[in-house]
Amino acid sequence: AQTVTQSQPEMSVQEAETVTLSCTYDTSESDYYLFWYKQPPSRQMILVIRQEAYKQQNATENRFSVNFQKAAKSFSLKISDSQLGDAAMYFCAYRRVQGAQKLVFGQGTRLTINP
Amino acid sequence: NAGVTQTPKFQVLKTGQSMTLQCAQDMNHNSMYWYRQDPGMGLRLIYYSASEGTTDKGEVPNGYNVSRLNKREFSLRLESAAPSQTSVYFCASRSGNMNTEAFFGQGTRLTVV
Repeated sequence: AQTVTQSQPEMSVQEAETVTLSCTYDTSESDYYLFWYKQPPSRQMILVIRQEAYKQQNATENRFSVNFQKAAKSFSLKISDSQLGDAAMYFCAYRRVQGAQKLVFGQGTRLTINP
Repeated sequence: NAGVTQTPKFQVLKTGQSMTLQCAQDMNHNSMYWYRQDPGMGLRLIYYSASEGTTDKGEVPNGYNVSRLNKREFSLRLESAAPSQTSVYFCASRSGNMNTEAFFGQGTRLTVV
């Protein structure tokens, strides 16, 4: 079974600085998707960024980028120029390409932005 | 565009009571999911439905039943609520194509006393 681990329950960063959230996963599949979701206090799950495992290039979305290390099964999220609105729970998630395409989530990292 | 709608948003139950959480999506998605979110444990899959007429157990199905009423609706039933089922419940849907994302409802906060 696939597992996703986020080893940082909480992180904090000064506004305008850069922070990196860590995620590791375990799978025997060669093709899959990885995601970072943001959950603000409103509880809404918001997709931040996704990475297809067959793509070597790291995904970027504006201030958000990932460092995808397939051999190490590592998928970290870098947030540049942190803003107060980035404060939230962040979840790393995995999804297979074949078979039951359900999301498997990590435990989450609570990110605090200090003004 | 409503997306995924869950009802109710909040609910308090007494131990042993039953209730059904409702979920509906208007995006013509094939796949629907029920997750529960607990502190320190992320979101865990309870049940899912890959297509209309099919349902399968996820990681934590005990104490729950589901019904895929039609393509739009996927309900989650607690037959005899227990305090361990106190959680936030999320419904999600996806089109089923490989390259598509899941859309989530706004969640239901359930407290069992």
